[in-house]
Amino acid sequence: DTEVTQTPKHLVMGMTNKKSLKCEQHMGHRAMYWYKQKAKKPPELMFVYSYEKLSINESVPSRFSPECPNSSLLNLHLHALQPEDSALYLCASSQISNTEAFFGQGTRLTVV
Amino acid sequence: AQSVTQPDIHITVSEGASLELRCNYSYGATPYLFWYVQSPGQGLQLLLKYFSGDTLVQGIKGFEAEFKRSQSSFNLRKPSVHWSDAAEYFCAVVVTSGTYKYIFGTGTRLKVLA
Repeated sequence: DTEVTQTPKHLVMGMTNKKSLKCEQHMGHRAMYWYKQKAKKPPELMFVYSYEKLSINESVPSRFSPECPNSSLLNLHLHALQPEDSALYLCASSQISNTEAFFGQGTRLTVV
Repeated sequence: AQSVTQPDIHITVSEGASLELRCNYSYGATPYLFWYVQSPGQGLQLLLKYFSGDTLVQGIKGFEAEFKRSQSSFNLRKPSVHWSDAAEYFCAVVVTSGTYKYIFGTGTRLKVLA
């Protein structure tokens, strides 16, 4: 299994809502990532987890809250988002070494 | 600071023509380099990677890339482009600062003419 699975594929939420994005991998990878990608732009790193511990937070606003409950799962909790947070949110995983990152298909988030 | 530059924002080629997408990096140590492809609204798929050794690396879908340390480049090539190759292509470098962080170039959008 070389897949990273993200759910949901699409999400529309209001600015007062609370929602969560989920990511799952069963490749035994111990590094997991959240990226945000706006249209026609490259992915921007948000968070990195290594061995289930947050190792990088790229100064992301607190309305985004990551969680890594175990080595296979990564969540991104969303609360009080703004319309400019609308984007494709990509999850990725890799070995804890310089190997390639495997990406999920992303969640297309629209904040209304 | 580490960075990746893709000088061409858009490239248009005819089907069957050859292709070269440029990538330049700025990184003090030996870089770990990747090319990813992204179709609209989709995730990123790895085409190929360079860690060390042979500077000409082969990837999936008939793509290859050559690492040139003297030019700080890692250009992607394909001898004959297919219409299905139309997509966004990202070059990336991994940097290590306690953990592993991928830095992406700004991307090159490839259009293929029938």
